[in-house]
Amino acid sequence: NAGVMQNPRHLVRRRGQEARLRCSPMKGHSHVYWYRQLPEEGLKFMVYLQKENIIDESGMPKERFSAEFPKEGPSILRIQQVVRGDSAAYFCASSPGGSNSGNTIYFGEGSWLTVV
Amino acid sequence: AQSVTQLDSQVPVFEEAPVELRCNYSSSVSVYLFWYVQYPNQGLQLLLKYLSGSTLVESINGFEAEFNKSQTSFHLRKPSVHISDTAEYFCAVSVKNTDKLIFGTGTRLQVFP
Repeated sequence: NAGVMQNPRHLVRRRGQEARLRCSPMKGHSHVYWYRQLPEEGLKFMVYLQKENIIDESGMPKERFSAEFPKEGPSILRIQQVVRGDSAAYFCASSPGGSNSGNTIYFGEGSWLTVV
Repeated sequence: AQSVTQLDSQVPVFEEAPVELRCNYSSSVSVYLFWYVQYPNQGLQLLLKYLSGSTLVESINGFEAEFNKSQTSFHLRKPSVHISDTAEYFCAVSVKNTDKLIFGTGTRLQVFP
């Protein structure tokens, strides 16, 4: 059973370009979470999605950032017109969701974005 | 809203010494509590979690944490650390009926020979 798969692992973008980060959840998991880890800081929640629905986007910056989790395919975190401050590690996690809570959420290996 | 405080950003310790990583949380509702470990350039791995029942929970590699409701704490302990325990440790909470985690800022455990 493959874990949470993220790609690319490393991405370099020039200021003003777009970055797309992909996340395939664990098999059987329908809930996806995106977190951002800035250098020397902890993980900050960004967004929580189910298939075709955004459940909680309270941690998403108001501009340039968007996320989706389509019916088919991976979840995508999209950053438009990147700036140097977007340089960070972006972690995706997944859980089975459902009516049970306290489920373990499983993390991917992360995508390291560097804006030059 | 929930929040997690990890007061110690770094904890240096010699091999085979005991260690305690502190975690306090704030919440007006019942929460679940977690400790995750992150090795360099890797994702987070679950170390242990408290959902209900016995307030002392253990991991397979010798770590344990105790839920203390009156002190709103969930400190992580290990009686004797190894070099391989060097990593970043994150405490987190989730609210019932959601799996969304709120993390503390992390504690870097550095074990010296």
